[in-house]
Amino acid sequence: GESVGLHLPTLSVQEGDNSIINCAYSNSASDYFIWYKQESGKGPQFIIDIRSNMDKRQGQRVTVLLNKTVKHLSLQIAATQPGDSAVYFCAENKKWKPNSGYSTLTFGKGTMLLVSP
Amino acid sequence: DAGITQSPRHKVTETGTPVTLRCHQTENHRYMYWYRQDPGHGLRLIHYSYGVKDTDKGEVSDGYSVSRSKTEDFLLTLESATSSQTSVYFCAISELEGEDEQYFGPGTRLTVT
Repeated sequence: GESVGLHLPTLSVQEGDNSIINCAYSNSASDYFIWYKQESGKGPQFIIDIRSNMDKRQGQRVTVLLNKTVKHLSLQIAATQPGDSAVYFCAENKKWKPNSGYSTLTFGKGTMLLVSP
Repeated sequence: DAGITQSPRHKVTETGTPVTLRCHQTENHRYMYWYRQDPGHGLRLIHYSYGVKDTDKGEVSDGYSVSRSKTEDFLLTLESATSSQTSVYFCAISELEGEDEQYFGPGTRLTVT
C-alpha cells in the first residue's frame, strides 16, 4: 500500500547535523501540544510535549519551542542520527466540536525527516 | 511500550461486508480513540470513548460505529465497508483527556476491494 510518507514535506540532513522541524497550529485557544515520531509500519510514538504556559522545553537531544504569537511550534533534534529518520507530527488539543465537553488532539499532516550517514 | 494491541493487523475485505476492528489495552486508561491515517491527511479522529458505554463522534465518523462494553476493549465497526475506507487504523489511549499524551497501538491495515 501507499506509504503515509508520500506527499509529505521532507527534510534531508546529514548525520550529526541539527534538525529543525516546523509546525503551524490553527487554534489560538489550544493549550497543549505534542510531537510524535512515526517510523514506517509503526504507530506514532511520543517524543515531547509542551503546555502553553511555557516557551521552551528540553528532552534528551530534543527541544520544543512554542511561539504563541504566531501559532508556531518547532522541534529541534540535536546531532541527528540515521535512527531519527521517520515522519514527525505535531498535535494540538482542541475541541473539534465547539460545544463538546471534551477536547482531543488534532494532528498535523507531518514532515518526513531523512538522515543520511 | 504501552500495553495496546490491535486485531487483526491486516485485513482484506470486499465492498459491502461488515468489518470489526478490535483494540485491547492493559493500562486501565479511561480514554480510547480510533484514528485513520491516509496519505495527505495525517491522523484523523473517527470516534472516541471517555468511559465504558460512553462514546462520541470524531471528525470522520460517517460509516463507522464503536462500542465499549469493558474498560480494556474498544471496537470499531464498518457496517458496510466501502473502498474509501481503505486505510490504516490506529487505536490510542490516554489517562486524561485533552492535555495528556496519547499512546498508540501498532495499527491495522484494512483494504476494501
